Amino acid sequence: DTGVSQDPRHKITKRGQNVTFRCDPISEHNRLYWYRQTLGQGPEFLTYFQNEAQLEKSRLLSDRFSAERPKGSFSTLEIQRTEQGDSAMYLCASSRTGRSSPQYFGPGTRLTVL
Amino acid sequence: QQPVQSPQAVILREGEDAVINCSSSKALYSVHWYRQKHGEAPVFLMILLKGGEQKGHDKISASFNEKKQQSSLYLTASQLSYSGTYFCGTEWKDAGNMLTFGGGTRLMVKP
Repeated sequence: DTGVSQDPRHKITKRGQNVTFRCDPISEHNRLYWYRQTLGQGPEFLTYFQNEAQLEKSRLLSDRFSAERPKGSFSTLEIQRTEQGDSAMYLCASSRTGRSSPQYFGPGTRLTVL
Repeated sequence: QQPVQSPQAVILREGEDAVINCSSSKALYSVHWYRQKHGEAPVFLMILLKGGEQKGHDKISASFNEKKQQSSLYLTASQLSYSGTYFCGTEWKDAGNMLTFGGGTRLMVKP
């Protein structure tokens, strides 16, 4: 069990640029979640997948954000036309199928938009 | 509608006890507890599924009162390694698997 991995760990970009983050879940986990965390706050749910299907997406999520999990393994989160307000830690988590399965978090990608 | 955690911060001496509370305005299916150290990912501690359930490992335990829509995390005989921010993540009865996290409780344990 190698844990959830995320890449890159840090990303600095200029406002208006597009960025893409990758998450590799724990291998036997079918579910994959994306969260965003700003300083001093708890993680905020963005979206989640079961296998390759995106089952839920936060209503607060801008349409500049899109996520994919094409083969049901790794996932990518893309932010288009980044804004300074997008600066945050982007966390990925994975879990087994089944309601209330524990979610295990990756180390996160820290995004800074200048 | 994020759950409310209290206290927001607490400072303890090694060996002292602490209680962290988590209250939801919506009916809960489960409560998940995590600890996060500065610059690191949240680490899963435990999950409570049934009303009244209490779980624990080592000197950290938790309870879940389904009727009151509350959960409490108990840290006894605290150790330096317990320092960090504790988050409760609530899973609502009428929602899917997404967790809604509270604002966190910062715990500092001093020697």
